[in-house]
Order: sequence, then C-alpha cells, then structure tokens
Amino acid sequence: GAGVSQSPSNKVTEKGKDVELRCDPISGHTALYWYRQSLGQGLEFLIYFQGNSAPDKSGLPSDRFSAERTGGSVSTLTIQRTQQEDSAVYLCASSLAPHSGGEKLFFGSGTQLSVL
Amino acid sequence: QKEVEQDPGPLSVPEGAIVSLNCTYSNSAFQYFMWYRQYSRKGPELLMYTYSSGNKEDGRFTAQVDKSSKYISLFIRDSQPSDSATYLCAMTLTGGGNKLTFGTGTQLKVEL
Repeated sequence: GAGVSQSPSNKVTEKGKDVELRCDPISGHTALYWYRQSLGQGLEFLIYFQGNSAPDKSGLPSDRFSAERTGGSVSTLTIQRTQQEDSAVYLCASSLAPHSGGEKLFFGSGTQLSVL
Repeated sequence: QKEVEQDPGPLSVPEGAIVSLNCTYSNSAFQYFMWYRQYSRKGPELLMYTYSSGNKEDGRFTAQVDKSSKYISLFIRDSQPSDSATYLCAMTLTGGGNKLTFGTGTQLKVEL
C-alpha cells in the first residue's frame, strides 16, 4: 500500500479482555516501531523490529504487552487483560532501515483503544 | 522530570504571523533532532530533521538546534490556517536505531 495501515482504527473493550492491534508497514521497509500516545504524555516508545534481529522490547510497560512481526512484514501488538490505563492511541511506524539515527519514520493513523 | 519538555499550548496566532515552537531536553547525548506535525486523528509526519547543532531551512519552516543550551526551535513564517496542527519535537542518540524520544507536542491554531 501507499502508507502504513493500521486496524482497527477504533477499539472499545472491557477491562480484563485481550486485544490485538494490527500494522501493515510500507512495502520494503525493514524497520517497524510501535509507539503509544496518551493524552498529555506525548509518544512513548514500545517496541522495535529490524529485519530478522531480535526485537527491542525495552519500552513495553508490562508483561501484558507483546508484539510479533510475521514474515518481516505485518505486525500485531497484543495487550492481555486490558486495564483502563491502557487507553491510548497506539501508533505504528516503519522506515527503510535505521542507520545511525534519524531515519525518516512513516506513521500510520493509529488505533484509538478505549478500555471501559 | 521528562527528558524532553515542550509547552503543550494551545497557541493561537493570526494568519501570516511568525510562529516559534520550542523544546528543551536534558540528555546531552541526543544528536538527531526532528519536528513532526500531527493533524487531528492522523499519525505524525516528519517536517524537519537536523543533525547536531545549527539551522536548517525548508520553505516557510526553519529548525534551529542549540546543543550548548539543550534547546531546539521550529519557526514557521507566514503561517497559514493549514498549519493548524500539533507539533512534536523528537530526538534520538547516535546509534539509537530510531528509538525516538518525543515531546508532548504543542497545539497550534492559525486563525483567519
């Protein structure tokens, strides 16, 4: 596709349920990132995939959060036993490849998650 | 204290005004500095990118980095209503693999 695609665009769930958020990066982009954007908090790094390397999970806030990237393309972010503080916009981004830093990130429009 | 501080605004200016947006940061190891623009219900898009200190100009936009003061700025000349958006500063370390640290964003409204 022309850009980074995320689905669903909105997700409302009940506390304690599991949710899966999907990201389709730009074709050919080897690097994929998940960020979380909470009101008044800015974007918070969650996880980073680069090619076949082990992902950098250092930003995941708890073990309820996990992500995978299949075939070097589509990624799924899973939140288990959702809590109200998980409510936020979850943004996915991709880039051609990270070099020393500053590679241009292309963001999707995000998934607005609301936990009731 | 956050690593990157940014005034959330909102900032309201008349059309044609010069806008100044700023961020301060605490980590002197940051080397790459970026400004992203985010429209409502959209993902951020990269506006400007600067490595280390100095100025960079692109059309109506100028980015400045002062590493000695740990202070970065974005200037918008001849502001237009279409510039109304949230502006996020972001920065990363050399070798940081694009693990960006973002400011909270400044909401800008340009009025007719």
